[in-house]
Amino acid sequence: DAGVIQSPRHEVTEMGQEVTLRCKPISGHNSLFWYRQTMMRGLELLIYFNNNVPIDDSGMPEDRFSAKMPNASFSTLKIQPSEPRDSAVYFCASSFRTSGTYNEQFFGPGTRLTVL
Amino acid sequence: AQSVAQPEDQVNVAEGNPLTVKCTYSVSGNPYLFWYVQYPNRGLQFLLKYITGDNLVKGSYGFEAEFNKSQTSFHLKKPSALVSDSALYFCAVRDMDSNYQLIWGAGTKLIIKP
Repeated sequence: DAGVIQSPRHEVTEMGQEVTLRCKPISGHNSLFWYRQTMMRGLELLIYFNNNVPIDDSGMPEDRFSAKMPNASFSTLKIQPSEPRDSAVYFCASSFRTSGTYNEQFFGPGTRLTVL
Repeated sequence: AQSVAQPEDQVNVAEGNPLTVKCTYSVSGNPYLFWYVQYPNRGLQFLLKYITGDNLVKGSYGFEAEFNKSQTSFHLKKPSALVSDSALYFCAVRDMDSNYQLIWGAGTKLIIKP
């Protein structure tokens, strides 16, 4: 298995531009997480999907952020318009969740976003 | 409130010496505990977990962790450190309220000197 795949690996954009980050979870996993990592705030959960349905988006900073999961093998995180304070590393992670278990999350390599 | 603490921002160990990275937690009920490692410019990699059973858990790359309920700790250990173990290590505990979130420690930078 190729693991969690994220693209692009690096993104440099100018303030005000739209940014779209992409994630392909591990096949068979039914839970998907988007995280943001910064030096100041560490690892923050942005949104959690289960079976393609957004369950918790309370970590999404503001309306400029949106996420979708149209099917089990693809998710996007969009920032529109982007701002310099959005500069961070964004991770996607997936896991397999059942009612009786809690399994570890597998992380993608991340997208390093720089907003100028 | 539920929390995870990694009291050391950085740990320095000489190659070949044993290493310990500390983690303490505060949750209600039985904890599910995890250790992850992050190498530079990489995503987090799962090392090991404690769910139930034997208090000593063995994981990847020769790492192990000991669950201590009375001290609410889950310290990561390795008998003999390698330079390649140098990385950022995160401890996490399952959020008992949501049952899907992990509560993350701030991370400990481990530096192994040759």
